Amino acid sequence: SAVISQKPSRDICQRGTSLTIQCQVDSQVTMMFWYRQQPGQSLTLIATANQGSEATYESGFVIDKFPISRPNLTFSTLTVSNMSPEDSSIYLCSVTGDRGVNEQYFGPGTRLTVT
Amino acid sequence: GQNIDQPTEMTATEGAIVQINCTYQTSGFNGLFWYQQHAGEAPTFLSYNVLDGLEEKGRFSSFLSRSKGYSYLLLKELQMKDSASYLCAVQGGGSYIPTFGRGTSLIVHP
Repeated sequence: SAVISQKPSRDICQRGTSLTIQCQVDSQVTMMFWYRQQPGQSLTLIATANQGSEATYESGFVIDKFPISRPNLTFSTLTVSNMSPEDSSIYLCSVTGDRGVNEQYFGPGTRLTVT
Repeated sequence: GQNIDQPTEMTATEGAIVQINCTYQTSGFNGLFWYQQHAGEAPTFLSYNVLDGLEEKGRFSSFLSRSKGYSYLLLKELQMKDSASYLCAVQGGGSYIPTFGRGTSLIVHP
């Protein structure tokens, strides 16, 4: 399985500011995903990030609000822009494993609180 | 879209067996995951089913019936550490990216 780390692990931010979350994987992976998990809710996919191409956003999520970078096969960033309290959530990075789409692993998450 | 339904909460006794059900409606089914998520932690992969039948992995087993749109996760010899949320996730709509259910919170008591 892939080992995934995220930075920061948690943060408290003021509304109107932006936060960039980093995701680092210990092996090269083709597909990386960013999820949001709001309090008491399940995981919602924000976007899929493949190296060398623009991220693909799910319905309800836009690039201006959640810009994503994927500069290489082991790293990605998600920025939460112009934050509001509704953005308070856990943000999780995820990758597919060596066997492809029948394995998916998650990073430890970034707990964001917006005041 | 996909509709995934699981019970919100279940309780069970240490040492017992519990079955967590998941029903789904989707076209273009590709596979179904079960994940375990302890409070404040990331989900961890438990199982993946593509074909009908039961897959056993230690104390945990997962069953799938594609024709019924139904899966269950069976946990045997329950331990206190099994108290967690269990997420059912379906690859459907012709996609391999899973859609997650709301999760079942399992409470194991002595």
